[in-house]
Amino acid sequence: SAVISQKPSRDICQRGTSLTIQCQVDSQVTMMFWYRQQPGQSLTLIATANQGSEATYESGFVIDKFPISRPNLTFSTLTVSNMSPEDSSIYLCSVGGTASAGANVLTFGAGSRLTVL
Amino acid sequence: AQSVTQPDIHITVSEGASLELRCNYSYGATPYLFWYVQSPGQGLQLLLKYFSGDTLVQGIKGFEAEFKRSQSSFNLRKPSVHWSDAAEYFCAVGDPNAGKSTFGDGTTLTVKP
Repeated sequence: SAVISQKPSRDICQRGTSLTIQCQVDSQVTMMFWYRQQPGQSLTLIATANQGSEATYESGFVIDKFPISRPNLTFSTLTVSNMSPEDSSIYLCSVGGTASAGANVLTFGAGSRLTVL
Repeated sequence: AQSVTQPDIHITVSEGASLELRCNYSYGATPYLFWYVQSPGQGLQLLLKYFSGDTLVQGIKGFEAEFKRSQSSFNLRKPSVHWSDAAEYFCAVGDPNAGKSTFGDGTTLTVKP
């Protein structure tokens, strides 16, 4: 399965600032997703990162708050804009599997733990 | 819309005892079903998956799960729990067309010595 590197692994941010999280994959992947895991809660899908086009956002998430870039098949960024304490979460990059292994089989990065003060 | 329910928020078992974690799903067609484990300080790891075929699937670390269409369930089992199994377990249902998955709220497993 793919190996995913996320940066930063953790950060402490001030209210009102923005932070960009990077996700680098060691192989070309078709499907790439960004999830949020709030403290003590499950994973919620933010958006599907589409290569060469605008991301597809889930209900409750908007591009102005969570702009996503995906310039190629191995890299994506998620920006958390104008942060508030409610944005304190772990943000997870994930990729779908190969056709043989199952495109729906997700591999996850280690996550980026953001704390907003 | 697809959804997943894990009725048990927290389960405690003794080491060596058997384990069953419950998962119920809602999906309009034949689902893709998964169990993932998240250990403290570690990322999410796939335990097992069901796409089609045999309804009893084997996974890593001695886990298995059984798909029961009539009950819309995909319960995870292990005959003998080890202390290292203490973790958060997530059931998920996959959308074959979009590739994305919806996760349940998770079950925290504590293992007593």
